Amino acid sequence: DQQVKQNSPSLSVQEGRISILNCDYTNSMFDYFLWYKKYPAEGPTFLISISSIKDKNEDGRFTVFLNKSAKHLSLHIVPSQPGDSAVYFCAASAFEQGGSEKLVFGKGTKLTVNP
Amino acid sequence: KAGVTQTPRYLIKTRGQQVTLSCSPISGHRSVSWYQQTPGQGLQFLFEYFSETQRNKGNFPGRFSGRQFSNSRSEMNVSTLELGDSALYLCASSLDGVFIYNSPLHFGNGTRLTVT
Repeated sequence: DQQVKQNSPSLSVQEGRISILNCDYTNSMFDYFLWYKKYPAEGPTFLISISSIKDKNEDGRFTVFLNKSAKHLSLHIVPSQPGDSAVYFCAASAFEQGGSEKLVFGKGTKLTVNP
Repeated sequence: KAGVTQTPRYLIKTRGQQVTLSCSPISGHRSVSWYQQTPGQGLQFLFEYFSETQRNKGNFPGRFSGRQFSNSRSEMNVSTLELGDSALYLCASSLDGVFIYNSPLHFGNGTRLTVT
């Protein structure tokens, strides 16, 4: 059962336009969400996060929106730049019984920004 | 500050063998977690160690194990390798405390394991 889904394996946009990457989750216990960016041959790097008590978090060109009722979050990149071309992973976490933490990643969306 | 270091970068093993991967976290980070990345499954959480104790565990068979040393360095071991274990194995570290809420994860560049 895939609890975090990124339904678009790839996305292609023109430089300067907006990139919108989507992520859906099924577990209502998730209360913290993160986006990571990964270049080939490198480990993922943290991009932006959002707590479930918020519906928006912004950091420069990157904005994450959270719709708890729809169990949906999205990452907006404006304006998109060729250097943003990478695989983007959505991740969600929740505390489980006993105090351990559950962290689940989506399968990733490959973003290509064309000059 | 040096980043998370994983060794080796590449490994080729045959079925049935075992393998040990190493991870040195960022100085001062006490939490180390391990992930498997495959094209079909994306990033999957293996386990997390904090102060030499396994604190969180994903849904992987017992062939996958790990440990953490007093200097926070961590090793991951996979025994009786199967073809399906071929993947990029990523290690991440974070500051002490809860490994998500207090700080984001810092990943190493991974070890590419190929099982033939």
